[in-house]
Amino acid sequence: DAGVTQSPTHLIKTRGQQVTLRCSPKSGHDTVSWYQQALGQGPQFIFQYYEEEERQRGNFPDRFSGHQYPNYSSELNVNALLLGDSALYLCASRTLDYGYTFGSGTRLTVV
Amino acid sequence: KQEVTQIPAALSVPEGENLVLNCSFTDSAIYNLQWFRQDPGKGLTSLLLIQSSQREQTSGRLNASLDKSSGRSTLYIAASQPGDSATYLCAATKTSYDKVIFGPGTSLSVIP
Repeated sequence: DAGVTQSPTHLIKTRGQQVTLRCSPKSGHDTVSWYQQALGQGPQFIFQYYEEEERQRGNFPDRFSGHQYPNYSSELNVNALLLGDSALYLCASRTLDYGYTFGSGTRLTVV
Repeated sequence: KQEVTQIPAALSVPEGENLVLNCSFTDSAIYNLQWFRQDPGKGLTSLLLIQSSQREQTSGRLNASLDKSSGRSTLYIAASQPGDSATYLCAATKTSYDKVIFGPGTSLSVIP
């Protein structure tokens, strides 16, 4: 059983560009969350999707948006990239009765 | 607002030692608490999940305890090995559908 898969694994973008990160949740999981982890810090919650709707949102600007598809897969979009957006972006999925399963992350570097 | 802290920030021990990592949370009304391991540049691996009704969980050389009244959780690692070197993160969830709030992590180095 594949766990949470994220693509791409690494990405380099230029300031001002837009980026899309993708996540496939673990089989049977219907809730997907996205986190941003800066170097040396714990992950920070961006938003959570359930039944194709954004259910919760952390303290991130509107440049960060997302989507969830009927098969529960999800995308994270970031517009007008800033140098400070450089981080490891983690996707996590869960079902009601268990904790979160995390993917290996996408390392985004903005130059 | 839930805040999660971890002590110490970094720890270096010789191989074979037993060690304890500490996690504190400000809001005792949690649904569960989860401990994760993170290797450099990698994602998170779940180690142990403690539901709010439980006091502890064990997996191999790992034991995690939860004391909601004091807002504390500890991760005990027995007979540490160099392969245990990683960052350990604790994370609390307030309700069954809520986001996870992470601590900053403890960076562990086990010296052969």
